[in-house]
Formats: sequence, C-alpha cells, structure tokens
Amino acid sequence: EVQLVESGGGLVQPGRSLKLSCAASGFTFSNYGMHWIRQAPTKGLEWVASISPSGGSTYYRDSVKGRFTISRDNAKSTLYLQMDSLRSEDTATYYCATDVNYGGPLDYWGQGVMVTVSS
Amino acid sequence: DIVLTQSPVLAVSLGQRATISCRASQSVSISSINLMHWYQQKPGQQPKLLIYRASNLASGIPARFSGSGSGTDFTLTIDPVQADDIAAYYCQQSRESPNTFGAGTKLELK
Repeated sequence: EVQLVESGGGLVQPGRSLKLSCAASGFTFSNYGMHWIRQAPTKGLEWVASISPSGGSTYYRDSVKGRFTISRDNAKSTLYLQMDSLRSEDTATYYCATDVNYGGPLDYWGQGVMVTVSS
Repeated sequence: DIVLTQSPVLAVSLGQRATISCRASQSVSISSINLMHWYQQKPGQQPKLLIYRASNLASGIPARFSGSGSGTDFTLTIDPVQADDIAAYYCQQSRESPNTFGAGTKLELK
C-alpha cells in the first residue's frame, strides 16, 4: 500500500524558514517523480514544485522560485521542501504527491501538512 | 501558464447524471494523448485521482465515473450520482510546466 506522510509544518513568522518532509513507503520511490501541491484555506489546489525520479530535474512555480527548494533522498525514500523567506501568502496545507510517469497524473497524495505564516 | 476554467458549483439530484466541464486556454493534447486529469476532494481529505489522460479510470474508482474530451474541452461525468460523490472536483493539466489546476467544481445536492 502506497503511503505518503508529510511532516514539518507549523506556525512561522514572515521571512523565516521551514523544511517539510514527505516519507514514502509501499512503492519504489526512486522510480517516481514527486510533486508538492498546496491549498490555501478554503481555496483550490496550486502546484508548487516537482522533481524527477533521479532528482536531476526540478521545476517551480514562479511565485516560489528562489525561495523554495525541492529535493529528495532516494536512499531514505523521502521528499523535502525547503521553504525560505516565507510570506503570508504561503499559508496553506502542503501535499506531496507521486507521479509515476513524471509528466502524468498525480497518482497518490499524502494527507497534507499545514503551514501558517504569521507574526 | 495554461488556465483551466471550471464552473464553481453544480447542483444535482441523487441518481441523476452530473456533467462537470473543464476548458483549457490552449490545447493540452500531444499526438492524441490528452494530458488532462481529474481529482475528487472531500472536506478535510486529500485529493484522490479519478481519471487520468482524459478518459482512463484510476485504480479502484467506480465505473459510474467517466471522462471524455480532447484539445481544450474536457468533461467528467458521474452517472448515477450517489451521496458519497458530494465533493469538490478539480481538473489538472500536465501538458506543460507549470502544472495547473482548475478552480474546482463543488458538486451539491439539489
């Protein structure tokens, strides 16, 4: 059974940093592209970043470029999102999701982790 | 960025057919492969993949869900609607980066 468990969320002040983790199990992690998607309270889904199975390619939405870094440790089956210079508009539930074709659908999603950016 | 447009709300009666549309600002198809996908999200839960590449049913999804369309116009159909289907439905394109989602359609009971 595929399991994705996010952690690392919480309340942080504007301008500070936070690092999210997504622990994967139940599938061969190193074969899958991975994504972070976020959802602000009462809003829709917004793609944030993606990374190829090897970690060699990464993509970001414009609003987080230069502030967020997606990475992965295939030996630990874990995906990361380093978030720096956080802004109030980054407040959201952050989901990690698998993408077996890396460019296809988001097959499985974690339960999400809440990030609140506020002073 | 490719913009996906969905109607915000659709009201249906139980047992009837629900048709949810998604229109893209440009084609999301490559060589007859339609890179449009559909997700269901219930309150307090993570999204779940329903349909991939426009018309393929994801694993474990009931056959009352179906998808169609190509190019810029896509449809998710639920027939017949059951009480458990009351949720928000999102389309998503993976034709080009950034991946984008529609704003979602909330399926409500009439």
